[in-house]
Amino acid sequence: AQKVTQAQTEISVVEKEDVTLDCVYETRDTTYYLFWYKQPPSGELVFLIRRNSFDEQNEISGRYSWNFQKSTSSFNFTITASQVVDSAVYFCALSPPRVATDSWGKLQFGAGTQVVVTP
Amino acid sequence: DAGVIQSPRHEVTEMGQEVTLRCKPISGHNSLFWYRQTMMRGLELLIYFNNNVPIDDSGMPEDRFSAKMPNASFSTLKIQPSEPRDSAVYFCASSHNRGGSPLHFGNGTRLTVT
Repeated sequence: AQKVTQAQTEISVVEKEDVTLDCVYETRDTTYYLFWYKQPPSGELVFLIRRNSFDEQNEISGRYSWNFQKSTSSFNFTITASQVVDSAVYFCALSPPRVATDSWGKLQFGAGTQVVVTP
Repeated sequence: DAGVIQSPRHEVTEMGQEVTLRCKPISGHNSLFWYRQTMMRGLELLIYFNNNVPIDDSGMPEDRFSAKMPNASFSTLKIQPSEPRDSAVYFCASSHNRGGSPLHFGNGTRLTVT
C-alpha cells in the first residue's frame, strides 16, 4: 500500500521568510514517482515538479527547491523568500511505475499543507 | 495551449436529481482521470481511462456514479440520483500514457447537492 504523509496542516510566515514543507511517503515499489502540486485559493491544481525515484539530485527552480532523500523516504519542498502569491495549499503525491495498467496513474495524494504568507 | 476543460464550474442541484459533469482533456493525452476533493477525505481517485477504456473504477463510491469516455476528447461523470454527501469539487485530469507523466488538472466542478 502507498501512503503520503504531510504532517504540517498549516504554516504561516511573513513575506520573505523561507518555508519548508515536509513530505514522507511509504511504498513497496522499488521505482516510483513523486510530485508536488500547488492549489491556490482559486482552486485549480497546478503541477510543480516530478521526481523519479532513481534520481536523488536536488532540484532548484527559481525560489523553489526540492530535497529528495530516498533513505528517509522524504521529498521536502522549500520556498525561499516567500511572497504573498505563494499562499496556497501544497500537495505531495506518489505514483507507482507503469508496470501494470491497473496501477499506473493512481496518484496517492497527501492531505496537503496550507501555506499562508502575510505581507 | 488549451488545458483540461471542465464544465460546469459550479453546479447546484437538489437531492435526487441527475448530475452530469463534463471534461475535455488536453489534445494528445491518452489517459484521463476523475478525482473528487472533500475536506474530510482530501483528493480521491474515482476512475481513470487509458485510450478511452476504463482501467480502474475501484474508487467510484457506489452504483450511483458512472463515467464514460466515448472518444479521446470527451468524458462525463454522472451521478444519479445525487445525494447531499456527493457535494465536493470534482476534478478531471489528463496525461500522456507513460510512467511518470504528470497529471494536468482542470479547474474543477464545485457540486452542491441540497
